Amino acid sequence: QKEVEQDPGPLSVPEGAIVSLNCTYSNSAFQYFMWYRQYSRKGPELLMYTYSSGNKEDGRFTAQVDKSSKYISLFIRDSQPSDSATYLCAMSEGGSEKLVFGKGMKLTVNP
Amino acid sequence: DAGVIQSPRHEVTEMGQEVTLRCKPISGHNSLFWYRQTMMRGLELLIYFNNNVPIDDSGMPEDRFSAKMPNASFSTLKIQPSEPRDSAVYFCASSLIAGGRETQYFGPGTRLLVL
Repeated sequence: QKEVEQDPGPLSVPEGAIVSLNCTYSNSAFQYFMWYRQYSRKGPELLMYTYSSGNKEDGRFTAQVDKSSKYISLFIRDSQPSDSATYLCAMSEGGSEKLVFGKGMKLTVNP
Repeated sequence: DAGVIQSPRHEVTEMGQEVTLRCKPISGHNSLFWYRQTMMRGLELLIYFNNNVPIDDSGMPEDRFSAKMPNASFSTLKIQPSEPRDSAVYFCASSLIAGGRETQYFGPGTRLLVL
């Protein structure tokens, strides 16, 4: 079993839809949880960062962490065509610089 | 800020040849990471440096891969000899470790095709 599991999709939704992206993990030592966005032929860029359990909101984006279930989510409200990209979850242990990534979910938002 | 710079952006080579990938991190950053991304395995950490010192190379696939960071502004990843299974996108990332939240900034990647 990989440390981080992410459904690779792809996922296609109409503009304005609510999108839910999820990852599960097995390492209970993970404390930092991130979502990266990667546009085609570009490097990943940090989108959201969460420490431990709870929710974090930034504009149309909400990140949720449930450490008891080892489950993290990213919600995108009012999705836009510009949100079309691959979304990767990433996690690290406390005190470690090493990130473990999910395989990424390719999202397409259709106008 | 120019961001993380990688060269070359694309590389096509034949099996058995030596390949050298280059990275210039963001000025002032003290950590540098090399990743490999494939459809099958996703984004995997190969090695990372802190203050030019290799900290963890457990992700380096085998002895054919080597990485160096001779100074704070330059790093190389070398594959010798290259094999078709090394075909992937190789990313370099840098960050500033400052006792708190650290964001890794990725370069545009080098697309490597080994024939």
